[in-house]
Amino acid sequence: DQQVKQNSPSLSVQEGRISILNCDYTNSMFDYFLWYKKYPAEGPTFLISISSIKDKNEDGRFTVFLNKSAKHLSLHIVPSQPGDSAVYFCAASAYTGNQFYFGTGTSLTVIP
Amino acid sequence: KAGVTQTPRYLIKTRGQQVTLSCSPISGHRSVSWYQQTPGQGLQFLFEYFSETQRNKGNFPGRFSGRQFSNSRSEMNVSTLELGDSALYLCASSLGQSTGELFFGEGSRLTVL
Repeated sequence: DQQVKQNSPSLSVQEGRISILNCDYTNSMFDYFLWYKKYPAEGPTFLISISSIKDKNEDGRFTVFLNKSAKHLSLHIVPSQPGDSAVYFCAASAYTGNQFYFGTGTSLTVIP
Repeated sequence: KAGVTQTPRYLIKTRGQQVTLSCSPISGHRSVSWYQQTPGQGLQFLFEYFSETQRNKGNFPGRFSGRQFSNSRSEMNVSTLELGDSALYLCASSLGQSTGELFFGEGSRLTVL
């Protein structure tokens, strides 16, 4: 049972434009969310997080939006750069320790 | 400081064998989690150890087990390997609080023939 879903397996964006990656979840107990980036042959690296008490968190070019009523979060990358090309995973937890539920990932390609 | 180190990076086993994977967390991190990554399934949580105790466990059969040592290093073991166990096994360490980020190793790629 996939509690965190990323319905777009891939996304292509022109350099300089906005990349929007989406994530949906089903468990209303989730209250902490993270985004990770993964390059081939490397482990995932942390990008940005958001707590359920917020609806937006920004860090440089990366902004995460959380819509609790829709059980939806999104990651915006502005402007997109070729180095952003990677697989992006969203993850969620329910403040019960370090058990995170991950989506299946979205492969982002930024075209120069 | 040194990152999360996983060994071996690659290994090939045959059905029915068992395998042990090792993970050395970032110095000072007391929590070690293990995840299985397969195509189309994303990262699936196996278990988490904190101060040598299993704190959380995912929905995997008993063939998957783990332990953590007093220096926070962790091992996971898979017995009676099946073809479906072929995957990338990722270890992640953290300070242990529920809102902390996970720091991942590069993974151990297991192929079961």
